[in-house]
Amino acid sequence: AQSVTQPDIHITVSEGASLELRCNYSYGATPYLFWYVQSPGQGLQLLLKYFSGDTLVQGIKGFEAEFKRSQSSFNLRKPSVHWSDAAEYFCAVGEISGTYKYIFGTGTRLKVLA
Amino acid sequence: DAGVIQSPRHEVTEMGQEVTLRCKPISGHDYLFWYRQTMMRGLELLIYFNNNVPIDDSGMPEDRFSAKMPNASFSNLKIQPSEPRDSAVYFCASSKSTGLAFSDEQFFGPGTRLTVL
Repeated sequence: AQSVTQPDIHITVSEGASLELRCNYSYGATPYLFWYVQSPGQGLQLLLKYFSGDTLVQGIKGFEAEFKRSQSSFNLRKPSVHWSDAAEYFCAVGEISGTYKYIFGTGTRLKVLA
Repeated sequence: DAGVIQSPRHEVTEMGQEVTLRCKPISGHDYLFWYRQTMMRGLELLIYFNNNVPIDDSGMPEDRFSAKMPNASFSNLKIQPSEPRDSAVYFCASSKSTGLAFSDEQFFGPGTRLTVL
């Protein structure tokens, strides 16, 4: 079965610093990969997705992610974090096995220091 | 568009009571998903519908849980009887299929925070 691992439960960065959130997946074929963000008290919002092609994908809010097949990773990055980026971030893989559904990681909570 | 609407936003009930959570998907969307979020298990898919028909309910934890989608603009998730371990945030999401798997974005509602005492 497919799985997603986000090894960092909490990350704290200073405003203006760069950010990298890690995501590793387990999948037999080329995966469908996603990053979602959840602001406090809100539902999840899609930041970006990867299906095929260019391994560096751009998303909303200045985020990007790089697919590395050799490392089974899909890490999320932002060059300069803003205080409004404080939220919880979820990596997900799309699973196709008769039906289609998303498998989410357990999330990484980002704290931004002023 | 108002987005995905869920009600209530918060629900506190006592063990053994029936709980009903409601969802109105975005108009025109043909997929509807119910998720549960807990600290221990993260975000889990419970069930999803396509054109009002349940497609995969393998994530529904027990027979105490049931979900229906009587029409394209409404779905509910019922727990009867409720137990303290059902305490969680329940999200509804909807999407519009484009014919390509996973090319359609899921739009999430704000969630219902359920507390069972």
